[in-house]
Amino acid sequence: GAGVSQSPRYKVAKRGQDVALRCDPISGHVSLFWYQQALGQGPEFLTYFQNEAQLDKSGLPSDRFFAERPEGSVSTLKIQRTQQEDSAVYLCASSLALAGHSYEQYFGPGTRLTVT
Amino acid sequence: GQQVMQIPQYQHVQEGEDFTTYCNSSTTLSNIQWYKQRPGGHPVFLIQLVKSGEVKKQKRLTFQFGEAKKNSSLHITATQTTDVGTYFCAGDFGNEKLTFGTGTRLTIIP
Repeated sequence: GAGVSQSPRYKVAKRGQDVALRCDPISGHVSLFWYQQALGQGPEFLTYFQNEAQLDKSGLPSDRFFAERPEGSVSTLKIQRTQQEDSAVYLCASSLALAGHSYEQYFGPGTRLTVT
Repeated sequence: GQQVMQIPQYQHVQEGEDFTTYCNSSTTLSNIQWYKQRPGGHPVFLIQLVKSGEVKKQKRLTFQFGEAKKNSSLHITATQTTDVGTYFCAGDFGNEKLTFGTGTRLTIIP
């Protein structure tokens, strides 16, 4: 079956522009995670959904970052008024995790965002 | 905050040599997962360890979870060129989200 897909794969934005990054998780996966990965670093947690509920958004760097998953499947990460420090790879992952236990996460290929 | 430290940051080995990466947490983990990321790729799940003192093997890879559930290691025997990549541990502190370590980048000298 299809894995996690993300679009666009690459995005160049001018400083101050808004961007929207899309994630299509594996069908049936309850949990969806967004991570930010800077060059040479490990993925940093941003936010997490269980179905349509956003259970944890403690990793979002600022109020310019917003994520949604309105129907419990596709998710969008939106960054408003992009800054150069937002340049990174944004990874989406999904899993079968149920409340109280984590399971293996399946990662998408990521969106590489470059802010100029 | 809850952090997961991983060492070494880089490891260069001759093909056929062994490789080990270590992961440490300041607080007890609910479970720990290991992922591999090839250059230009995305993290791919390798294993999950849940029980205190657990040891799991996958062919040439051996994963251990410490008795106190605060540390873990990944050992690769007789490395091959296909082992190249960055190995990340990722800890679950009981809140269902993963905290990734900084990773160990493995390069193989043929």
